[in-house]
Amino acid sequence: DTEVTQTPKHLVMGMTNKKSLKCEQHMGHRAMYWYKQKAKKPPELMFVYSYEKLSINESVPSRFSPECPNSSLLNLHLHALQPEDSALYLCASSQDPFSGGERETQYFGPGTRLLVL
Amino acid sequence: GNSVTQMEGPVTLSEEAFLTINCTYTATGYPSLFWYVQYPGEGLQLLLKATKADDKGSNKGFEATYRKETTSFHLEKGSVQVSDSAVYFCALSDRGNFNKFYFGSGTKLNVKP
Repeated sequence: DTEVTQTPKHLVMGMTNKKSLKCEQHMGHRAMYWYKQKAKKPPELMFVYSYEKLSINESVPSRFSPECPNSSLLNLHLHALQPEDSALYLCASSQDPFSGGERETQYFGPGTRLLVL
Repeated sequence: GNSVTQMEGPVTLSEEAFLTINCTYTATGYPSLFWYVQYPGEGLQLLLKATKADDKGSNKGFEATYRKETTSFHLEKGSVQVSDSAVYFCALSDRGNFNKFYFGSGTKLNVKP
């Protein structure tokens, strides 16, 4: 099974709200990724967690705050977002962040479609 | 540095036509290469991959060969179906940097009955 789940599927929030996106995988993967995807564009990497430690932050504004409470779960906390943050947020996982071959394949969740009003 | 270049879309084909979507890359090492497909409103699904030069990835009638000499990984299918209509992304993995992916811009495929 190569399933990554994400909740909620859709989210509408105001610019003063605080909300969280959740991502879960039970494949024993030790790398997890957050991406932002705007319409008709490829996914843009935001964060990488390797063995539950934040390893890459692609200069993401502080209004996005990632958290990895355990090896199966990844959260993205949202606060004071702007309308331009409206996008599809994708989570992915891979088996091992330091190995090649099958272990580097990323498996994506279905995404959370976020609308900021 | 690492980058991926895909042919511009959209690509419009009739059912049963032959498909080629070009993908070329630049990389500092020897990356793995991937094709992902995204249907409307969904996440990315792995279509196929190749981890070293001359490897051929294949799945659901799609094929791509890792060509080191031309730094290419072109996606092909002999006979497309309406259900293949989607956006296709070529990507490479940077093994030295937590397997960070570099994506091409994506190519939208429309298949007409």
